[in-house]
Amino acid sequence: DAGVIQSPRHEVTEMGQEVTLRCKPISGHNSLFWYRQTMMRGLELLIYFNNNVPIDDSGMPEDRFSAKMPNASFSTLKIQPSEPRDSAVYFCASSLHLLGNRAYQPQHFGDGTRLSIL
Amino acid sequence: AQKITQTQPGMFVQEKEAVTLDCTYDTSDQSYGLFWYKQPSSGEMIFLIYQGSYDEQNATEGRYSLNFQKARKSANLVISASQLGDSAMYFCAMRERTSGSRLTFGEGTQLTVNP
Repeated sequence: DAGVIQSPRHEVTEMGQEVTLRCKPISGHNSLFWYRQTMMRGLELLIYFNNNVPIDDSGMPEDRFSAKMPNASFSTLKIQPSEPRDSAVYFCASSLHLLGNRAYQPQHFGDGTRLSIL
Repeated sequence: AQKITQTQPGMFVQEKEAVTLDCTYDTSDQSYGLFWYKQPSSGEMIFLIYQGSYDEQNATEGRYSLNFQKARKSANLVISASQLGDSAMYFCAMRERTSGSRLTFGEGTQLTVNP
C-alpha cells in the first residue's frame, strides 16, 4: 500500500522565492496534517484538515504561510516569500478520523521535505 | 506545563538486551490516546504503537510493548531484544479528545544500540 507521498524531498532556494510543498495522503484517510521539525522547536503542527476543510491553523507562523486541500488526495503548503528561518523539515501526515470512536487512529507520516532557504 | 515529558535525552543499550524509554503525560481528559514514533537518521517518522486511555491491556506490537500506568500518567515504551537497527530518535505523543485531531509530541529520546 502506498504511504503518504511528499514532494519534493529536498528544496534549496533563495530568500524571497515562493516555495510549494506537495502531499498526497493515504487513500481513504480523511485527516491531513502539516508539521515542521527543527532542532530548536522540535515537531510543530502547522495546520490540519478534516474532510478537506481546515480545522486548526493556529500553528501557521504568519501570513507568509498558506495551505490548501482542494480534494481528498492532494494538499499544498506554500511559503511566499520564503525566509532563511523557514529552513526545516516539513512533514505531511494523514490519518482516518472516526467520529464517536473511542480508539484514535495513528497518523502516518510522509518522508518529509528538507527545505533550505539561503 | 509540558503535556508530554521524555526525561531521557539519550539512552544506550547493548544489542539483544531490553530497553525502556520513559514518557509521562499531563491531561485532564478522560479520553486520550498515546503513540510512539521512531525517527531513524534517514529522517522518516514511523508509527510504532498505540495505547488508548480506555484500554485495559498494555499494547504490544512485535518487540515493542507499552507499559501503561494510568494513575501515574506514564506510557513507557519497552523494546525487547534490541537490534542495531533500533538506533533512532523515539517520540512519545498524545492526542486528547478536547484537542481534536492534534498530536502533541515530546522532545524525544535518542537511542543508541551498541554491538
